[in-house]
Amino acid sequence: VLTQPPSVSVAPGQTARLACGGNNIENVHWYRQRPGQAPLLVLFDDSVRPSGIPGRFSGSNSGDSATLTIGTVEAGDEADYYCQVWDPRLDHPVFGGGTKLNVL
Amino acid sequence: QVQLRESGPRLLRPSETLSLTCSVSGASMRLYYLTWFRQSPGKGLEWVGYIYFSGYSNYNSSLKSRLTLSVDTSQTQFSLTLTSVTTADTAVYFCARRKLGESKFDPWGRGVLVTVS
Repeated sequence: VLTQPPSVSVAPGQTARLACGGNNIENVHWYRQRPGQAPLLVLFDDSVRPSGIPGRFSGSNSGDSATLTIGTVEAGDEADYYCQVWDPRLDHPVFGGGTKLNVL
Repeated sequence: QVQLRESGPRLLRPSETLSLTCSVSGASMRLYYLTWFRQSPGKGLEWVGYIYFSGYSNYNSSLKSRLTLSVDTSQTQFSLTLTSVTTADTAVYFCARRKLGESKFDPWGRGVLVTVS
């Protein structure tokens, strides 16, 4: 089970930190989903940015909590963000419930 | 650049069968899994199941009795069949690609809203 806060609010230009709690979680991936759109991979394997994702997006993982950090937040960052890991015992993905990032 | 696109009927009656297709273009699916997800209105992402290009599949246990995933011989058309739908199956259905040995999903199709009413 991955636990995410339902919402986080930040002002433009500030830094947003989105948490994803779990038990011995590894290789956490993060997706951004804007309203009416498909999820988009923004970080994988805890902290790796796919091509095209700006450097403002970074990540970390302590084992029981992963964090997606978005620096210099912009209005376009307002979206739902989901963390995801793989459950090797069940052999399928597990998602957090998602955090809605509100840009004030 | 690989692209995925879901297609299928948008409106179903309870007890009917849902059939969706995910069309893959721009790259081979060899060594990739095609995974289906769904998202009920206002809710989070739910894993539905996945199928490997060779045909191996794994289903969400809550849907297993009603779900069938398949892939055609060209390995560019992936199908989802869900029988005896109810209003609880109303959702946006997405397909996404996952590479063998990896656990991330990229890219995703744009999704298709299926309403059971």
